[in-house]
Amino acid sequence: GAGVSQSPSNKVTEKGKDVELRCDPISGHTALYWYRQSLGQGLEFLIYFQGNSAPDKSGLPSDRFSAERTGGSVSTLTIQRTQQEDSAVYLCASSLDGQFYEQYFGPGTRLTVT
Amino acid sequence: AQTVTQSQPEMSVQEAETVTLSCTYDTSENNYYLFWYKQPPSRQMILVIRQEAYKQQNATENRFSVNFQKAAKSFSLKISDSQLGDTAMYFCAFPNPNSGYALNFGKGTSLLVTP
Repeated sequence: GAGVSQSPSNKVTEKGKDVELRCDPISGHTALYWYRQSLGQGLEFLIYFQGNSAPDKSGLPSDRFSAERTGGSVSTLTIQRTQQEDSAVYLCASSLDGQFYEQYFGPGTRLTVT
Repeated sequence: AQTVTQSQPEMSVQEAETVTLSCTYDTSENNYYLFWYKQPPSRQMILVIRQEAYKQQNATENRFSVNFQKAAKSFSLKISDSQLGDTAMYFCAFPNPNSGYALNFGKGTSLLVTP
């Protein structure tokens, strides 16, 4: 079946602009995660959605970052007033359940802030 | 805190040889899973192998196997008969129960397989 998809694949934006990154998880997966991968920080957890529960936002680096998941499926990560340090690859992953099932990753969105 | 340490930033192995990548972790949990993921230049993160902590038997997936030492909190990955397509970043990962089992990743090991 179809895997996790993300769009766009690459995004170049000017400092100060807002960006939206999209994730389509595998159908039937209730858990959805966003991660950020940067040279200096490695792979960092950003936010976690499980079904209709309130998301775990504990990994979001600042209030410029937000995410939503509509209808328990598609998720959008929004970065407002982008800064150069936001440049990274943003990875989305989904899982049947959080704990005991492996996470399936999308191909990521490479964000470059100029 | 659930921390994951990979002490080998880069490794190189010749085709058909065997290589072992190291990983140690810290947790107070008793029942958990551990994962190795591979990330080739295409950027796609791919699950290589999974180990359940309550199982004493080491997991094996074709050419990939682990040496899981629960008491030592060690989880190394052995790649046998290395192939050129194994060239990638390899990440050890531990699900953090405090964040919905989001994965805590090590810094990764860059593996180069040479002809």
